[in-house]
Order: sequence, then structure tokens, then C-alpha cells
Amino acid sequence: QKEVEQDPGPLSVPEGAIVSLNCTYSNSAFQYFMWYRQYSRKGPELLMYTYSSGNKEDGRFTAQVDKSSKYISLFIRDSQPSDSATYLCAMSANSGAGSYQLTFGKGTKLSVIP
Amino acid sequence: EADIYQTPRYLVIGTGKKITLECSQTMGHDKMYWYQQDPGMELHLIHYSYGVNSTEKGDLSSESTVSRIRTEHFPLTLESARPSHTSQYLCASRQGYQPQHFGDGTRLSIL
Repeated sequence: QKEVEQDPGPLSVPEGAIVSLNCTYSNSAFQYFMWYRQYSRKGPELLMYTYSSGNKEDGRFTAQVDKSSKYISLFIRDSQPSDSATYLCAMSANSGAGSYQLTFGKGTKLSVIP
Repeated sequence: EADIYQTPRYLVIGTGKKITLECSQTMGHDKMYWYQQDPGMELHLIHYSYGVNSTEKGDLSSESTVSRIRTEHFPLTLESARPSHTSQYLCASRQGYQPQHFGDGTRLSIL
């Protein structure tokens, strides 16, 4: 079993839809959770960064972490064609200077249709 | 916004050639990383550095080597390229407890 599971999609939604992207993980030591957005032929761009359980909102984006279920989500409200990209979840056990290894999901490819 | 630059962006080269992929960041970040990304697969860490003269291998075995002589520069070298090295290589950096920021990658194709 991989440490991080992410449905690769592809996921296609109409413009304006609410999008839900998810990852599950098996390592209970993970406590820092990130979502990156990657456009074609570009590097991953940090979208959301959360610590432990709870919600974090930034504009149209909301990140949720449920450590008891080992499940994280990214919600995109009022999706736009410019949101079309691959979304990568990433997580680590600690952010300390001594060790900070990110474990990534495979990414979910999202297309928002005008 | 992070400023991290990778060159070349694309490289097509023959088997057996020596290749150096460049990565530079202008933010003074102490930690730098190299990842390998294949289509539909997770990013895998191949090298990292916590500062000048510090380099470590990541969780994915790689025939490449790295050096960190200057804070801002973290080049990756393949002494003799093979078709199995064809992939996208991503460089990242971070400072302290902040998350990693990535460059736009080098797409390498070995013929």
C-alpha cells in the first residue's frame, strides 16, 4: 500500500461547479499537509499549507484535514477554466530543519469546461 | 513569490553524454531539493541539501550526483546519460520551516 493515495482522474467539470479533490494516507505521523497546483509544462505551485486537523480557506479554495480518518480534501468553489491543472497533495511528518521529506500523491488532473 | 530557475527547460541528447542540469534560487534559501517526475507518477526525491557542502541522497535511487558549493546554486550531473534517465527533473528550495517552492523543471530526453 502506498503511503499516499490520490485518484488520478481525469476529472472534468463545468465552469462554476464546486470541485472536491481528495487524498488518503496511511502514515499517522504526517502532520503537515500541502496542496500544489501544476499547470502543463510548469513546476508545482503551492496553493494551501495546513498543519494538523481542521479547515483553512483562501479565496475560492478550502483545505480540510481529518487526521482521525487520514483524509485530506481541497475544495474549489466557482471553478474557472483557469483552474484546469493537475493538483498534487503532499504531506510530511514534521517541518523541522533536520528532516523534512515530502510524500506526494500522483496528482489529479482537473479540466474545467467553459 | 519564490524565484527558482532551472536551465535548460528542455534537453534532447544522445546516450553516453555528460549532462548538467542547473538550478539557482535568489532567495537565500538554505535547503534545496531535486525531484524526478514521470507522467502519472508521484514526485520522487533524488537529492537534497541542507546548506553549503551538504548533500544527501533521497528515497529514489539515482545515478546522478549533485553539489552545493554556493547557497544559491544546486546543479545535478549525469556522467553518462542513458534512455532510462529520460524524465522531468524538478528543483525546489525552502527556508526554515516554510514549505518547498519549485522551479519549472527540465524535461530531459535521452535518445
